[in-house]
Formats: sequence, structure tokens, C-alpha cells
Amino acid sequence: QVQLQESGPRLVKPSETLSLMCSVSGDSMRNYYWSWIRQSPGKGLEWIGYISHSGNTNYSPALRSRVTISADTSKNQFSLRLSSVTAADTAVYYCAREIRVGAIYFDFWGQGTLVAVSS
Amino acid sequence: DIQMTQSPSSLSASVGDSVTITCQASQDISNYLNWYQQRPGKAPKLLIYDASNLQSGAPSRFSGSGSGSFFTFTISSLQPEDIATYYCQQYDDGYSFGQGTKVEI
Repeated sequence: QVQLQESGPRLVKPSETLSLMCSVSGDSMRNYYWSWIRQSPGKGLEWIGYISHSGNTNYSPALRSRVTISADTSKNQFSLRLSSVTAADTAVYYCAREIRVGAIYFDFWGQGTLVAVSS
Repeated sequence: DIQMTQSPSSLSASVGDSVTITCQASQDISNYLNWYQQRPGKAPKLLIYDASNLQSGAPSRFSGSGSGSFFTFTISSLQPEDIATYYCQQYDDGYSFGQGTKVEI
């Protein structure tokens, strides 16, 4: 069974960089795409971006200027960095596995981690 | 950006009832639509992909239909464990989610 686990600071100061890591167990990262998705009361579920098994990335246009997603497949981990955060970036952040077999969907998700942006 | 609009925002039904949720896309998305269930405090869980395909392990009382810009999601016989918020999600152009439909008993 595939499992994903987010980790990282739960509190980030405004204007600083939010950094999270997702650890994947139960399968190799090599055959899939890996996404970050966040959920806030104000904006609901919002896709942030993905990294492919070959290292290609794609980001939400709304966040592209501030987002970097990277991966270390040898450790079965991928990471999110979101710069210049504001209170609007306060959300539960999820990592998820993305299946692409004609259809595209998120079949496994981490439990989510709440990150608050506050001084 | 493709906007996804779900209706209703919330509903209350009895155990055994049939429940239907609709999702309208702001443009034609073919059948590039998924449905997720999110129980309180949990991550979303995939139920339906490609508008009408039941995810492995999901109960058969869940079904989806539609194409183009209008989609429906149905629970044929509502169970207590179905208390959750349900989201549609398109993947025709980027990814975006509906605002959710909260189902209560």
C-alpha cells in the first residue's frame, strides 16, 4: 500500500519561504507524477504543481512565480518551496500521487499538514 | 482558468435515500472529470475518474455520469459512512476543483 507523509514547519513568518517534504513509501516514485495540493477555508482545494518521474515540473499559473517542486527519487521524497508567503497561504498542504493512464487522477494522498503564516 | 461549480453546497438526506450532486464546468472538458470524497479531518479520496469509472475499492453505490460541461454524481443508497464533502475536479486544462458539497444525514 502506497503511503505519503508530509513534514515540515507548521508556522512560517510572512515574507519567508514555506518548505515541506513528502516521503513516499510502498512504491517507487519512478513511474508516477507527484503533486502538491492545498486546502484553505477561503479557496477550497487548490492544485499547486507537480513533478514528473523524469523531473519535469508544472505549476499553477497563480503560484508559478513563487513555487518550486523538486524530488530526490533515491530517497523517495519530493519537496515544495513557496516563497514570499502571506496569510493567504495558510492552508492544509497535501502531497498526492498522480496517475496518468489516459485518465489523470490523484489516487493516494498524504494526511495533510496545516501550515500557518503568522508573525 | 476553468471554473467548476457544484450544486447544492450542502444537502441533508436519510439513510437509504438516493443523492445526486451536479458539477458544471465553465467550458467543455469532455469527460476529464473526477469525483472525490473527503471525510472530516481526512484527505480527499478518489471515487470516480473519467466522469463515470468507479475507482477500485469504491462501493458500487457511487456512480458518475456526464460529459462536456455538465456532470452528475449519485449515491444510490446513502449510508451513514457517506457523511462527507464531495468534490469534482477537472483535468482538461490544469487542475481545478469544485467548491464542494457537504452531505449530512
